[in-house]
Amino acid sequence: QKEVEQNSGPLSVPEGAIASLNCTYSDRGSQSFFWYRQYSGKSPELIMSIYSNGDKEDGRFTAQLNKASQYVSLLIRDSQPSDSATYLCAVVFSGNTGKLIFGQGTTLQVKP
Amino acid sequence: DTGVSQNPRHKITKRGQNVTFRCDPISEHNRLYWYRQTLGQGPEFLTYFQNEAQLEKSRLLSDRFSAERPKGSFSTLEIQRTEQGDSAMYLCASSLGVGTQHFGDGTRLSIL
Repeated sequence: QKEVEQNSGPLSVPEGAIASLNCTYSDRGSQSFFWYRQYSGKSPELIMSIYSNGDKEDGRFTAQLNKASQYVSLLIRDSQPSDSATYLCAVVFSGNTGKLIFGQGTTLQVKP
Repeated sequence: DTGVSQNPRHKITKRGQNVTFRCDPISEHNRLYWYRQTLGQGPEFLTYFQNEAQLEKSRLLSDRFSAERPKGSFSTLEIQRTEQGDSAMYLCASSLGVGTQHFGDGTRLSIL
């Protein structure tokens, strides 16, 4: 069964620190990877997409992809209390129709 | 771009009743996806449409569930004879081809 795994947390970091969120996936042929942020009671909001090995930076967010290790991560620099949310890793597996396979999400708490 | 719209936002019903949800995608998006999310879990794929054609259904979608997208625009998801286990957030997302999926605010279903 094709899976996406995340540590459910909570991950607690102080304000201003770097938060590191990790995700592994089972399908070596996967090509598309996404990080969504979800506030309690709200719908997922896309933060980053990444398709190639290496790093991709957008503001305070950096996504890192290592296809050989089947590993994708999200770094949040200068974490703010407003970053407190659940972060969902989603993968489009090879040979499928574009549907997203989500991990269970990691809850991030940024303490002032 | 008015975003993905879902109605109703919240539906409370008694066990055994039928319910129908509506999703209006972003106007130029040809793909529409339905997902279901329970507390503490990531969204799970239910089904998707490309234009008016329903191209894939998850095994999670029992015979009590039916989805339509009659003119390739809005979509409806109907659940017949609701059960306690149907209580969840039902999320709709749309995309242009296999591009980024944008989510609506969801419909939260509560079964009494």
